[in-house]
Amino acid sequence: EVVLVESGGGSVQPGGSLRLSCAASGFTFSNYWIHWVRQVPGKGLVWVAYINNDGSGATYADSVKGRFTVSRDNAKNTVFLQMNSLRADDTAVYYCARSTDYLDLWGQGNVVTVSS
Amino acid sequence: DIVMTQSPDSLAVSLGERATINCKSSQPVLYSPNNKDRITWYQKKPGQPPKVLIYWASKRESGVPDRFSGSGSGTDFTLTISSLQAEDVAVYYCHQYYSSPYTFGQGTKVEIK
Repeated sequence: EVVLVESGGGSVQPGGSLRLSCAASGFTFSNYWIHWVRQVPGKGLVWVAYINNDGSGATYADSVKGRFTVSRDNAKNTVFLQMNSLRADDTAVYYCARSTDYLDLWGQGNVVTVSS
Repeated sequence: DIVMTQSPDSLAVSLGERATINCKSSQPVLYSPNNKDRITWYQKKPGQPPKVLIYWASKRESGVPDRFSGSGSGTDFTLTISSLQAEDVAVYYCHQYYSSPYTFGQGTKVEIK
C-alpha cells in the first residue's frame, strides 16, 4: 500500500522543540520531494516547507524560516521536520505530502500543540 | 509570493444543483514545458487529509466522480460541482504549485441549502 505515516506530535511549551517524522511505504521514496503543510484549527491550509528528493535542498515559509528544519533519510524512507523555538501560533495539524506534478499523496496528519 | 484568492468564502447549494468556486492567482502559474497551469483543487473534510480532485487546472484525479470539473487559465480558475451530493459538504481549496512558497487559497465552505 502506498502510504505516508506521520508521528512525533504532541504538546510542548512555548520555546520548546519537537521533531515530526513522516515514514513512507509502497513507493520509491528517493524519487519524490516531500512537503509539510499545516492547518490551524478552524483555519485554512498553509504550506510550510519542502525537501527535494536527495535532501540537498529545502525551502521554507517565512513564518518558520530559521526555526524549522526539514531533513530526510532515504535509507529509512523517512522525512523529518525539526521544529525549534515553537510558538503558540505553530499549534496546528501537520501533514506531510508527496509531490509529483502536484501534492498527490498525503499523510493522515499529526497534532502539535504549543501551550504553557 | 503568489496570492491565491477564492470566492465565495462559503456557499449553500441545494442537493442536485450546481456549485461553482472561483480561484484567482495574483500572477500566472503557467508551466512552460507542457503549457498547463499548475493549479490543484483539494477537498478537505474534518479529521481527514486533503483529497486531490483536480490537477493541472482541469485534469480529474483517478477515482474522483465526474460531477467535479476544473477550468480556467491565466490567473482565473474554477471548480464546478455539477450536481451537489450530500457527501460533497466540505471545504475546497485551490493550490498553486508553480513557485515557492506554494500557496493555498483561503478555502470555500460548501454546505447544503
